[in-house]
Amino acid sequence: GESVGLHLPTLSVQEGDNSIINCAYSNSASDYFIWYKQESGKGPQFIIDIRSNMDKRQGQRVTVLLNKTVKHLSLQIAATQPGDSAVYFCAEDDSGGSNYKLTFGKGTLLTVNP
Amino acid sequence: SAVISQKPSRDICQRGTSLTIQCQVDSQVTMMFWYRQQPGQSLTLIATANQGSEATYESGFVIDKFPISRPNLTFSTLTVSNMSPEDSSIYLCSVVRGQGGNEQYFGPGTRLTVT
Repeated sequence: GESVGLHLPTLSVQEGDNSIINCAYSNSASDYFIWYKQESGKGPQFIIDIRSNMDKRQGQRVTVLLNKTVKHLSLQIAATQPGDSAVYFCAEDDSGGSNYKLTFGKGTLLTVNP
Repeated sequence: SAVISQKPSRDICQRGTSLTIQCQVDSQVTMMFWYRQQPGQSLTLIATANQGSEATYESGFVIDKFPISRPNLTFSTLTVSNMSPEDSSIYLCSVVRGQGGNEQYFGPGTRLTVT
C-alpha cells in the first residue's frame, strides 16, 4: 500500500499538558485508521480507531481527528501522564474492510517529563 | 479485546538455523496476521495466516523463508528459516476482533536475535 508517515519523530511534554501526535497518509482510498501505543518490550496496544465517515472520535483522555481533505490524522492525549510515555503508531486500512491489512506509520516517541 | 500469547518471548539463534514461533488466541478468530518489526522501525506485514489453506504473503516475503501454519481458529505458527543476522527483529501476531469487526490486536511479540 501507500506510505503512512508522521510529521514528528519525537515529542516531549510536561506531565499534565495535552499532547498532539500527527500522522499524514497518502492513500485516499483508506477508510479505517487505528492508533497504537507501544511500550518498550511490548506489542502494540490498540488505543482508538476511526472510520473515514467520521472526523472525530473520543475515548478516555484520547481524541482522534481525521481530516480527509488534507489526509491528516491526529491523536490528542489530555492531561498526559508519565505512563503515556511510549511510541505511538498510526495505521491505515485501505482494503475497504475486505482483508484488514494495515499499513503502519513510522512512529512517534512520546516522552512525558514529571 | 483479545488475549494473545506468543512463544518464545525471545530467543538467540545461530545463522543457518530455523525458529518456529507460536501464537495462541483465547478464542476463535477468523483473521490472523504475522508482522515483523525491525529494530527501531515500524511494523511490516509478512502474511495473512489462513485457516485450512496456504498463507497469503506480502511483497518481499516468501513461503520458503517464512512458512506459516494455521491448523485451527485459535493457533498459528511462523517459522523463520535459514536465519541470517538480517532476520533479527520482533515478530508479532495479530488478530481481528471487535464490535466494528476491524479492530486488530497484537500479541506481545517474539524478540529474535540471530548471531
